[in-house]
Amino acid sequence: KAGVTQTPRYLIKTRGQQVTLSCSPISGHRSVSWYQQTPGQGLQFLFEYFSETQRNKGNFPGRFSGRQFSNSRSEMNVSTLELGDSALYLCASRRGLQETQYFGPGTRLLVL
Amino acid sequence: AQTVTQSQPEMSVQEAETVTLSCTYDTSESDYYLFWYKQPPSRQMILVIRQEAYKQQNATENRFSVNFQKAAKSFSLKISDSQLGDAAMYFCAYRSGSSGDKLTFGTGTRLAVRP
Repeated sequence: KAGVTQTPRYLIKTRGQQVTLSCSPISGHRSVSWYQQTPGQGLQFLFEYFSETQRNKGNFPGRFSGRQFSNSRSEMNVSTLELGDSALYLCASRRGLQETQYFGPGTRLLVL
Repeated sequence: AQTVTQSQPEMSVQEAETVTLSCTYDTSESDYYLFWYKQPPSRQMILVIRQEAYKQQNATENRFSVNFQKAAKSFSLKISDSQLGDAAMYFCAYRSGSSGDKLTFGTGTRLAVRP
């Protein structure tokens, strides 16, 4: 069974631009969550989607948004990029409430 | 709010020896899960082991085992017969049993394995 996939793997943007990252969960997994990893702040929860509904949101500004499609694929969008948004963005999926989350390889975003 | 603390930023172990990574957490909940994830240089987060809070028995996965002390809110990871491929960042993580997917991570322990 294929794992969680994330595209693109690497991205370079400039301040003020916007970016969209994509995550395809493991087949059969309906829950997708996103995390930001930076050297300074570590791993921080962004948001979580289940059946196209956002169930939980971390403490991030409104520039960070996401959505989930009917096939469980998810996208996250960051508008008006700032230098501090440079990070590794990790997506994780799981099948059900009691299940373990499995992570994708991440998208490394560099904002110049 | 739940917090997870990993007090060892770096650890080193000789190949084939045993090493223990420490993790403590703070919560007022009774239903929760604890995890150890490994992040090698590729940056892919890989599940090492998971523990349900309601289970008294410590989880074991091959060379990896945990010492779960619920009253002390301690969740340490023991790696036996360490291998070069075990070198990575190790993150301890907490998930509430009632608040969906959100994982709260510790700051990580970088494990080096000496040949």
